[in-house]
Amino acid sequence: RKEVEQDPGPFNVPEGATVAFNCTYSNSASQSFFWYRQDCRKEPKLLMSVYSSGNEDGRFTAQLNRASQYISLLIRDSKLSDSATYLCVVRVGGGSQGNLIFGKGTKLSVKP
Amino acid sequence: DAGVIQSPRHEVTEMGQEVTLRCKPISGHDYLFWYRQTMMRGLELLIYFNNNVPIDDSGMPEDRFSAKMPNASFSTLKIQPSEPRDSAVYFCASSLVVKDGYTFGSGTRLTVV
Repeated sequence: RKEVEQDPGPFNVPEGATVAFNCTYSNSASQSFFWYRQDCRKEPKLLMSVYSSGNEDGRFTAQLNRASQYISLLIRDSKLSDSATYLCVVRVGGGSQGNLIFGKGTKLSVKP
Repeated sequence: DAGVIQSPRHEVTEMGQEVTLRCKPISGHDYLFWYRQTMMRGLELLIYFNNNVPIDDSGMPEDRFSAKMPNASFSTLKIQPSEPRDSAVYFCASSLVVKDGYTFGSGTRLTVV
């Protein structure tokens, strides 16, 4: 089983739509959780951290379910500029360190 | 802040040649990571350093790959001899505190023909 699994997509949605991505992770000792965004032929960039209580950043909402080892990202009122690949990421290792394990990403394409 | 700087941006080389990829982390970041990205396997951790010391190199594919960090501001990833299956994008990333995520460089797109 892969450490971090995501639906590869692509998700093709119209502007203004709400879209949700899901992710599962296998290591129950995972400590931190993130969503990264990667544009075509660019480097991954941190979109947001994911906290146990859930958190929101503008149109983006992230949720974590530790019991089910499940992470989600909801994008509301999607824009053309949201088109990218979204990578689910977990940190393994003790304390505040360790390293990040990346899912293979879910591709989103927002159409006019 | 100049961010994480990688060079070269693109490298095309012939099978059997030596390839050296370079990375300058963000100043003050104690952690440096080398990742490889392919369509088939996604982003894979190759090796990471803390305070210039290699901590985990279990992701290095084989003896043809080596990485060094001679000082806090410079790291290299070397492939010798290179093979076509090494073709990928190689990313360097650095972090002060891993629990807060890390910052990637722009990557080196390597093509071995």
